[in-house]
Amino acid sequence: DAKTTQPNSMESNEEEPVHLPCNHSTISGTDYIHWYRQLPSQGPEYVIHGLTSNVNNRMASLAIAEDRKSSTLILHRATLRDAAVYYCILRDRSGGSNYKLTFGKGTLLTVNP
Amino acid sequence: EAQVTQNPRYLITVTGKKLTVTCSQNMNHEYMSWYRQDPGLGLRQIYYSMNVEVTDKGDVPEGYKVSRKEKRNFPLILESPSPNQTSLYFCASAVGANYGYTFGSGTRLTVV
Repeated sequence: DAKTTQPNSMESNEEEPVHLPCNHSTISGTDYIHWYRQLPSQGPEYVIHGLTSNVNNRMASLAIAEDRKSSTLILHRATLRDAAVYYCILRDRSGGSNYKLTFGKGTLLTVNP
Repeated sequence: EAQVTQNPRYLITVTGKKLTVTCSQNMNHEYMSWYRQDPGLGLRQIYYSMNVEVTDKGDVPEGYKVSRKEKRNFPLILESPSPNQTSLYFCASAVGANYGYTFGSGTRLTVV
């Protein structure tokens, strides 16, 4: 799977928007961009994924650059419950039978009250 | 509620004593997988299964076995646990490559 680069950590204030960046300059045309988060002492949790167009769901929005070499996960109003490690992962939709997710180090998001 | 259930949540065992960590999903997913998470190494895939009776190795399969006799269950078996298998283990399931994965809450295993 292609590599992603994320900041090690970010900080936000409660009820403010948060923009979490991810660079993936070697992305291929068949890679989906997935985002997961892991709250303390819990398993990873699916947040959102997309291919080319921006995506919205109840948890977040995903903005994908036109050249697809970067993307941004947007949390519209951060809450204390959003404090977690956020992982940006590329998943090859044509990658054979193993739907493996390759986790990097992710971004540790701290939300201040 | 759609979920992946792992048991036990915590386990302390001794070197060489066989153990099984169970994983069950109620979403009729064909794909299931096991990961381990270690400080500084992140999450790494151990084994995966595409369907009943179809399993294959991930990145770190040594010392582990799995079976998939039923669609909903995917147990992880440690025939002779060693201290280097002390870790946090997660089971996951998915409909397919283009969908989100659902992870279990984790099993913290300590081998002494």
